[in-house]
Amino acid sequence: DGGITQSPKYLFRKEGQNVTLSCEQNLNHDAMYWYRQDPGQGLRLIYYSQIVNDFQKGDIAEGYSVSREKKESFPLTVTSAQKNPTAFYLCASSITGGQGGLEQYFGPGTRLTVT
Amino acid sequence: KQEVTQIPAALSVPEGENLVLNCSFTDSAIYNLQWFRQDPGKGLTSLLLIQSSQREQTSGRLNASLDKSSGRSTLYIAASQPGDSATYLCAGWSAARQLTFGSGTQLTVLP
Repeated sequence: DGGITQSPKYLFRKEGQNVTLSCEQNLNHDAMYWYRQDPGQGLRLIYYSQIVNDFQKGDIAEGYSVSREKKESFPLTVTSAQKNPTAFYLCASSITGGQGGLEQYFGPGTRLTVT
Repeated sequence: KQEVTQIPAALSVPEGENLVLNCSFTDSAIYNLQWFRQDPGKGLTSLLLIQSSQREQTSGRLNASLDKSSGRSTLYIAASQPGDSATYLCAGWSAARQLTFGSGTQLTVLP
């Protein structure tokens, strides 16, 4: 079955530690995205990538980093510089991220708790 | 910058009722609008995508419309069921080349 997988489902970390969230897709999509969701708020874009080895900052990129070495994978690292990292993180993909955009498909999410 | 608003934030209806969820956006130069469903603690499930050249899309009991001139989209759910209970989010793709999300409407369908 084609889809997007995110692991782990729940992640707990101590303050000051970096943590990497996994996102893998087998939909053969070119574009991939990372969003953050906080209670009562809509999703906010962290980073996106339209092609391998290229990515752009979204609205809230500070304290996060990404890589796109393979078409299927787009890991997100939450660094110790992120002031309020506790949130629900969602990964998405689409055929292309170009003008007009196309339907985005989402993974099941990772809930990160930092104490 | 595109802003997307969904009102009300929460809605309760009895089973069997037809209902409309509203979504408004500020940038009429919208390329497409997508409606999603989110169950508690889960990811988003895409329901309908409306391209800017279209006025509506239908899937089963769902019908979504897009009116760019008024900056509005609606999601119509016919004959609601308890299984429809979830949070519904709309999101628009604009010239900023990213999807901007509303805060969602939490729908509860009472048996």
